[in-house]
Amino acid sequence: NAGVTQTPKFQVLKTGQSMTLQCAQDMNHNSMYWYRQDPGMGLRLIYYSASEGTTDKGEVPNGYNVSRLNKREFSLRLESAAPSQTSVYFCASILSRDRRPQHFGDGTRLSIL
Amino acid sequence: QQQVKQSPQSLIVQKGGIPIINCAYENTAFDYFPWYQQFPGKGPALLIAIRPDVSEKKEGRFTISFNKSAKQFSLHIMDSQPGDSATYFCAASILNTDKLIFGTGTRLQVFP
Repeated sequence: NAGVTQTPKFQVLKTGQSMTLQCAQDMNHNSMYWYRQDPGMGLRLIYYSASEGTTDKGEVPNGYNVSRLNKREFSLRLESAAPSQTSVYFCASILSRDRRPQHFGDGTRLSIL
Repeated sequence: QQQVKQSPQSLIVQKGGIPIINCAYENTAFDYFPWYQQFPGKGPALLIAIRPDVSEKKEGRFTISFNKSAKQFSLHIMDSQPGDSATYFCAASILNTDKLIFGTGTRLQVFP
């Protein structure tokens, strides 16, 4: 089925380890987003990419890096994981700002010990 | 000014009731107000959305009421069903951007 695919679905890391979360969409969307969801805080934007080759910081970018590998794929990297980064991470995509809504993947549940 | 404030945090209703979830904002540059529904273990999915030039929008049992002067909008779920039990998020998008600012979510439980 068409949509946004995130891998892995679950991951446990130790403090200081690094990891890359993968996201791919097959809807030919231009813009892609990474959010984190924490209890009582809604979804907060980490980074986004308005088009292939561009990335911009969102509300909570510290401790993260992103790569827009091509039009389909947008990865999120934690270089040195910290317990405060324990969260559920969602990737989303949109065709263009005139073609809302954002389509979300099913998330990656990340625990950092 | 970038915040969207959502209430209540949780809501319990009986089947057939009409739960109402409220959101408020400050930034008058917001031009698009979607509601998302999220089931456990899944990503949010768009439920219904409204633009500020409309005061009400209905899609099936879901209705958004929008009060531009008060900078408030709300979601009403008519004839609620147990299958509506989920977390609901309001959001707002700033004019000429495609970034969404989310509310903190409302967990709705509908009992038979």
